[in-house]
Amino acid sequence: AQSVTQLDSHVSVSEGTPVLLRCNYSSSYSPSLFWYVQHPNKGLQLLLKYTSAATLVKGINGFEAEFKKSETSFHLTKPSAHMSDAAEYFCVVSEPGGYQKVTFGTGTKLQVIP
Amino acid sequence: DADVTQTPRNRITKTGKRIMLECSQTKGHDRMYWYRQDPGLGLQLIYYSFDVKDINKGEISDGYSVSRQAQAKFSLSLESAIPNQTALYFCATSDRGLALDEQFFGPGTRLTVL
Repeated sequence: AQSVTQLDSHVSVSEGTPVLLRCNYSSSYSPSLFWYVQHPNKGLQLLLKYTSAATLVKGINGFEAEFKKSETSFHLTKPSAHMSDAAEYFCVVSEPGGYQKVTFGTGTKLQVIP
Repeated sequence: DADVTQTPRNRITKTGKRIMLECSQTKGHDRMYWYRQDPGLGLQLIYYSFDVKDINKGEISDGYSVSRQAQAKFSLSLESAIPNQTALYFCATSDRGLALDEQFFGPGTRLTVL
C-alpha cells in the first residue's frame, strides 16, 4: 500500500530565506509524485510533478523538488521565500493501476514573515 | 472565467436535510472527482467518474451519492446531512490518458451541517 508523510504541519520562514517542505512516501511501485499549493479560500493548483523522468523537477514560482528513491523523499524547496508563497502545500503520490491509488498528504502550512 | 466552477461556495444546513453540490467544467475533460478536505487530514476521495457512464466509489463514499449529468457536470448529494459531513468539498477534473496526471480543482464549497 502506498502512503505519503509530510513531516511538518507548519513551517515558518522569513521573507527572502530558503523554503524546505519535506515529504516522504512509501510505494510498492515506481510512483508519480506531485506537489500542489492551496492559497486561502482557493482550490489546489499543481506546482510540479515527477513522473520517472529527471529526478530534479522544476515547477512554477521558483519551486523545485528532488526525487530521491534511496531516501523515499520528494522535498519541495525554493531559494528565497516571497510573501505570496504563504499557503498550504500538499504532497501527493500516485501508483499505476487506476485513480483510486492516489494519496494526498496531510498538508504543510507555510508562513512567511516579513 | 474559471475552468472548474462549484456552486454554492458556502452552505449552512441542518441535520437531516438533503443537499446537492454542483460542479461544472469547461476544460472538456472526461474525468471528474469529488473530494472532501478536513483540517489536518488532507483530501479524501468521495467519488470519481471517468466518463458519463462510469461512476466509482472512492475511499469515503458512505452518506454521499453522485450524478454525472453530462461530460461537463458532476453533482454530489448528501441525502440526509449530518454534522460530521461539515467540511470543504472540492471538485476536480483530469484529462483522459494517464490516470496519474494533473488534476484541476474548483474553488471549493464550504458546507456546515448544524
